[in-house]
Amino acid sequence: ELKVEQNPLFLSMQEGKNYTIYCNYSTTSDRLYWYRQDPGKSLESLFVLLSNGAVKQEGRLMASLDTKARLSTLHITAAVHDLSATYFCAVLTNNNDMRFGAGTRLTVKP
Amino acid sequence: NAGVTQTPKFQVLKTGQSMTLQCAQDMNHEYMSWYRQDPGMGLRLIHYSVGAGITDQGEVPNGYNVSRSTTEDFPLRLLSAAPSQTSVYFCASRPRYFGAQHFGDGTRLSIL
Repeated sequence: ELKVEQNPLFLSMQEGKNYTIYCNYSTTSDRLYWYRQDPGKSLESLFVLLSNGAVKQEGRLMASLDTKARLSTLHITAAVHDLSATYFCAVLTNNNDMRFGAGTRLTVKP
Repeated sequence: NAGVTQTPKFQVLKTGQSMTLQCAQDMNHEYMSWYRQDPGMGLRLIHYSVGAGITDQGEVPNGYNVSRSTTEDFPLRLLSAAPSQTSVYFCASRPRYFGAQHFGDGTRLSIL
């Protein structure tokens, strides 16, 4: 059975610091998605990673994908309070359904 | 741009009642999915569809039915509501090959 594991599940950061969220998955897949969810809201798509070695950046967030290691990372640079949210990774399976990690709840403190 | 529209936004049911959660998308996406989100857990896939007339089960399909008669609509039916089905339900759609998955605003369902 496909497992998608994120760590850490909870992350408290100081503004201005850097940190990385990890997403490991247990099956072959070359499509990895990152989403952001604010409390009480829906999910917002951040990145779609479509191949091994893919790297995408938007503002202070950068995502990468290593399909051989079955690992994706979401790197946060110089965190600001507005980045406080829950971040999910999701893997597209060979059956074309999408499986999510449990989420990383990020809190950025002044 | 409507995107993915879910109705209702909130619903309270009694145990044993049935109901249908509606989902419609206007982006001509082939793939549509239903997820439930429970506290402390990620989204779990209930059912999904790769096109009109085609549906398949996800991780947690028991107690739910779906149908896909058109590309635009993908309703989720609760057959006989149970307290364990209290959750937030999200509908989503995406293109067949590439591109992001778009989510509706969610339906907050409580079963007493």
